[in-house]
Amino acid sequence: GENVEQHPSTLSVQEGDSAVIKCTYSDSASNYFPWYKQELGKRPQLIIDIRSNVGEKKDQRIAVTLNKTAKHFSLHITETQPEDSAVYFCAASTYNTDKLIFGTGTRLQVFP
Amino acid sequence: DAGITQSPRYKITETGRQVTLMCHQTWSHSYMFWYRQDLGHGLRLIYYSAAADITDKGEVPDGYVVSRSKTENFPLTLESATRSQTSVYFCATRQGAHQPQHFGDGTRLSIL
Repeated sequence: GENVEQHPSTLSVQEGDSAVIKCTYSDSASNYFPWYKQELGKRPQLIIDIRSNVGEKKDQRIAVTLNKTAKHFSLHITETQPEDSAVYFCAASTYNTDKLIFGTGTRLQVFP
Repeated sequence: DAGITQSPRYKITETGRQVTLMCHQTWSHSYMFWYRQDLGHGLRLIYYSAAADITDKGEVPDGYVVSRSKTENFPLTLESATRSQTSVYFCATRQGAHQPQHFGDGTRLSIL
């Protein structure tokens, strides 16, 4: 079955710097890759997603890139702000399964 | 989102007891999911349902039972609770395959 690995497990950046979180997946048939943000004590919330027919997607300060050949995808946050501090999860699923498999999460801390 | 309601929000019980966690949605989404979240493991899928009366196992189904007699409800039952089932449980829904998946606010379950 699908396996998703996520790195790093923790990431600390200065406000205004960029942050990059990387995920790799095992199933070459995976074709949907969402990213979730989870603040302390809250539910995970979808922040951006990408499908395998697209190499990059942007939404204001966040972007996701996908390399299907290498089977990895990344979340990029530019001009980080303290409110970006949270745990971020990547996930992957294939067209012929109904299941999202999640990475183990990255705790991002943005220091003022 | 108000579209997914989990109850109770907090529960403390003893080993060997049966406990049921409720999940109710108002969106009429086809898919419903149960995840558990533990430190270091991210979000792990317990069971999911593609439609009423259709359920299937996820990554960690042992010790859990689900049913889905109505589209809007997807209860999760621990038939004989064990300490290893202490966790935060999230219900999620989505309309169709590869559509955005939305999470409820979670149930924090402690088994003593």
